[in-house]
Amino acid sequence: GENVEQHPSTLSVQEGDSAVIKCTYSDSASNYFPWYKQELGKRPQLIIDIRSNVGEKKDQRIAVTLNKTAKHFSLHITETQPEDSAVYFCAANNNDMRFGAGTRLTVKP
Amino acid sequence: SQTIHQWPATLVQPVGSPLSLECTVEGTSNPNLYWYRQAAGRGLQLLFYSVGIGQISSEVPQNLSASRPQDRQFILSSKKLLLSDSGFYLCAWSQRLWGEKLFFGSGTQLSVL
Repeated sequence: GENVEQHPSTLSVQEGDSAVIKCTYSDSASNYFPWYKQELGKRPQLIIDIRSNVGEKKDQRIAVTLNKTAKHFSLHITETQPEDSAVYFCAANNNDMRFGAGTRLTVKP
Repeated sequence: SQTIHQWPATLVQPVGSPLSLECTVEGTSNPNLYWYRQAAGRGLQLLFYSVGIGQISSEVPQNLSASRPQDRQFILSSKKLLLSDSGFYLCAWSQRLWGEKLFFGSGTQLSVL
């Protein structure tokens, strides 16, 4: 089955800096890659997703890149703000959704 | 619009006691339903999923079970809780099985003492 690895497990940045979270997956047939943001004690919420026929997708300060050959994808957050502080999960999907272990992002004001 | 309800929000149970967590979805029909568990500081582990009434697929052998008695109702149960069952339980739904956005419930924080 699919195996998703996510790095780093924790990330601390200064407000205004960029943050990058990386994930690798094992199943080359995976075709859908969502990212979820989970604030403390809350439900995970989808913030951006990308399909395997696209290499990059951007939504305001958030972007995701996908390298199918290398089987890795990344989340990029620019101009970080304190409200970006949360746990971020990546996932890869091919007939089931497998999540990474999560990255705790802290944005220091 | 579609909404997903999950309750209770928090639960403290003694070891060996039963468990019943309930999840309902409104505003859609024939949703695909999922139960995930999140241990403290860990990722999301898929426990069960269901494509229809009475259809349950189990991912991890454990002392938990799931049932889907109605189209938009998904129940997570246990006859006897273990300490290791503690965690944050999330119900989720999607319109299509996999390959689609998951919408999560608000979660149940279960503490087994």
